[in-house]
Amino acid sequence: SQTIHQWPATLVQPVGSPLSLECTVEGTSNPNLYWYRQAAGRGLQLLFYSVGIGQISSEVPQNLSASRPQDRQFILSSKKLLLSDSGFYLCAWTSGPWSYNEQFFGPGTRLTVL
Amino acid sequence: EDQVTQSPEALRLQEGESSSLNCSYTVSGLRGLFWYRQDPGKGPEFLFTLYSAGEEKEKERLKATLTKKESFLHITAPKPEDSATYLCAVQAMVLMDSNYQLIWGAGTKLIIKP
Repeated sequence: SQTIHQWPATLVQPVGSPLSLECTVEGTSNPNLYWYRQAAGRGLQLLFYSVGIGQISSEVPQNLSASRPQDRQFILSSKKLLLSDSGFYLCAWTSGPWSYNEQFFGPGTRLTVL
Repeated sequence: EDQVTQSPEALRLQEGESSSLNCSYTVSGLRGLFWYRQDPGKGPEFLFTLYSAGEEKEKERLKATLTKKESFLHITAPKPEDSATYLCAVQAMVLMDSNYQLIWGAGTKLIIKP
């Protein structure tokens, strides 16, 4: 069966510090991978998605970036965090390519920028 | 513009009191509609996928239905453990960079009192 991992689970970082969040998927190959951010009481905002190694599409201009160095690994990064980067970050996968199937989510990372 | 609206924002019920959550959508061609359950501090958990008007899916006390403009999540005789936020997402017939995007609603927070 497939599983998706995210770490760390929680993170408190000062403004201006770097960020690296990691997501890995097990039990599938060539998945589509997604990074979302969820603000309190709001829906999910798609940040980045990837349909293959080295292929990244960005939905929202911001100080965040994403990379996919391996088939089942997706990394969210920032060189300098802003207060507005605080939120709940979710990684998701779906079978790809040309997928129209449901997305499955990881446990999330709660990021607080102080 | 493609849009998904969920109502009500919050719903408080007594244990055993049945009700429905609404997800209305406007998209340029529906490819699929998805329901998720999200517990506080966790990633969304997939519940159902509906593809065409008239389709129904059931799981325990939950039943999802779909029309050409909206979907309902019916909860029959709910229990306190059904308390969660329920998210709706719609996939439109628009292919972007080899991926079909999801449009998310803001969710309905359901509270079941014992």
